[in-house]
Amino acid sequence: TQLLEQSPQFLSIQEGENLTVYCNSSSVFSSLQWYRQEPGEGPVLLVTVVTGGEVKKLKRLTFQFGDARKDSSLHITAAQPGDTGLYLCAGSRTGRRALTFGSGTRLQVQP
Amino acid sequence: GAGVSQSPSNKVTEKGKDVELRCDPISGHTALYWYRQRLGQGLEFLIYFQGNSAPDKSGLPSDRFSAERTGESVSTLTIQRTQQEDSAVYLCASSPRVAGNTIYFGEGSWLTVV
Repeated sequence: TQLLEQSPQFLSIQEGENLTVYCNSSSVFSSLQWYRQEPGEGPVLLVTVVTGGEVKKLKRLTFQFGDARKDSSLHITAAQPGDTGLYLCAGSRTGRRALTFGSGTRLQVQP
Repeated sequence: GAGVSQSPSNKVTEKGKDVELRCDPISGHTALYWYRQRLGQGLEFLIYFQGNSAPDKSGLPSDRFSAERTGESVSTLTIQRTQQEDSAVYLCASSPRVAGNTIYFGEGSWLTVV
């Protein structure tokens, strides 16, 4: 079973639409990160959230960490074709040195 | 170089052969990670090195997989007697400190076992 479940697995939308991607777990994480990966490249860090309830904004992207630090969401406003890619959440657990990655959400934004 | 460098970028090998994948981390980064990513999937943790501490090998899927790292420099991931299910992108990452801080990924080594 996947420790971090992401939904949806695949999303195809039109330019200008809004969307939300979810990352859920039954485990508590000390911090959670979101990455974006384009074909043929490694994942690139978008944001790190640490505090329960924390909200961070990065231009049109809004990231939220759940109050209990078990879940997170990524909301994109007015999606652009350049937002196309694989979005991965990754959690850091106390006593566990390596990040645990979710299964990913593949986003396709049609012009 | 400025980023994490991996080689080869692509490798096609016959089932049963051994392969070696190389990772050059960012200079000064003490932590190094190997992850496996199957087509369209998330990342599967394989192994973690931190300085001169004993590596965390808990993610290695079988004894056909092994990895070495000399000090805080280059790492090599070796897969012996490759199987078709080993086909994936093998991603290396490094970070200046332990997990929870920013980690920087290489572009990966795409392995195809035929």
